[in-house]
Amino acid sequence: RKEVEQDPGPFNVPEGATVAFNCTYSNSASQSFFWYRQDCRKEPKLLMSVYSSGNEDGRFTAQLNRASQYISLLIRDSKLSDSATYLCVVKTSYDKVIFGPGTSLSVIP
Amino acid sequence: DAGITQSPRHKVTETGTPVTLRCHQTENHRYMYWYRQDPGHGLRLIHYSYGVKDTDKGEVSDGYSVSRSKTEDFLLTLESATSSQTSVYFCAISEPARGGRNTEAFFGQGTRLTVV
Repeated sequence: RKEVEQDPGPFNVPEGATVAFNCTYSNSASQSFFWYRQDCRKEPKLLMSVYSSGNEDGRFTAQLNRASQYISLLIRDSKLSDSATYLCVVKTSYDKVIFGPGTSLSVIP
Repeated sequence: DAGITQSPRHKVTETGTPVTLRCHQTENHRYMYWYRQDPGHGLRLIHYSYGVKDTDKGEVSDGYSVSRSKTEDFLLTLESATSSQTSVYFCAISEPARGGRNTEAFFGQGTRLTVV
């Protein structure tokens, strides 16, 4: 079993739609959680950190459920510029940074 | 942007030749990582370093070795390149996560390696 798993996708949604991505991780001792965004042929960049209390950044909301070892990302009012691959990332207790396989999002006009 | 430089950015090499990729940082971050990214697999950890001369294996370490003789440099070596090592290689840096503080990883721009 992979350490970090994500919805396989791809997700194709119209502009203005709400889309949710899900992620699970296997190492219960993991200590930090993130969502990254990767555009085609570019390096991954941090979208947002994820905390147990939940956190929001504009149209983006991230949630962490440590008991279920589950992370989510919600994007509201999707824009064309949101088209990218979204990567769930977990930092283990030894500071290893492990990526999920990514979920591709295409926002369609 | 975080000060991370990967070199070379592109390389074509022949099967059986040794190849070394360099990652250089100016942020003085303790942790450095090497990943490869292939279609259908996402980013997979090859090796990482938690300090000078301190390294550990990742998920796909076979065929690769690393060295970190200075805080700022992390080298990835393919001793004898194979076609299966054709990939995009990313270097990343990070600080330790302590006291509930989420410390993100910053990435270099990647190296495209083709083994023919």
